[in-house]
Amino acid sequence: KAGVTQTPRYLIKTRGQQVTLSCSPISGHRSVSWYQQTPGQGLQFLFEYFSETQRNKGNFPGRFSGRQFSNSRSEMNVSTLELGDSALYLCASSLERLVGPDTQYFGPGTRLTVL
Amino acid sequence: AQSVTQLDSHVSVSEGTPVLLRCNYSSSYSPSLFWYVQHPNKGLQLLLKYTSAATLVKGINGFEAEFKKSETSFHLTKPSAHMSDAAEYFCVVRLANTGNQFYFGTGTSLTVIP
Repeated sequence: KAGVTQTPRYLIKTRGQQVTLSCSPISGHRSVSWYQQTPGQGLQFLFEYFSETQRNKGNFPGRFSGRQFSNSRSEMNVSTLELGDSALYLCASSLERLVGPDTQYFGPGTRLTVL
Repeated sequence: AQSVTQLDSHVSVSEGTPVLLRCNYSSSYSPSLFWYVQHPNKGLQLLLKYTSAATLVKGINGFEAEFKKSETSFHLTKPSAHMSDAAEYFCVVRLANTGNQFYFGTGTSLTVIP
């Protein structure tokens, strides 16, 4: 079974631009979560989507948004990019079984650099 | 409130010696607990998870962790460190009372000295 895939792997943008990152979960997984990872702040939860609905949201400004499609693929969008948005953005998918603890499986990440 | 605390930001061990990475959680409910490893410029890989079936959990690459409810701990251990174990390790807790959100520790950087 293919793992979580993220595209693109690397991205360079300038301040003020917007960016869209894509995540394809493991086949059959219905939940997709997004995280931002920076050296200073560590791993921070952005949001989680399940069945095309945002189920949880972290403490990020409205410039960060996301969506999930009917095939569970997810995109996140960052508008009006700031230098501080430079980070590794990680996507994780989980099965969302009804019983027992679930496990998140991570993609390789998208490295975003804002100049 | 901090849901998971990794007590050491950096750990350094010699190759062939034991590894101990410490993690404490705070939860009134029975949590789900995980350890992930991240090698440089890579995503996170699941090492092991606590499923409430057994308190001693064995994972990949010789790692294991013991769930101790009385101490609210889930420390990660390995009997003998290998150079390839050098990486960042994250302890993660999932709390059912918070919409099943995953909470990550701040990470422990493991250095293995040859």
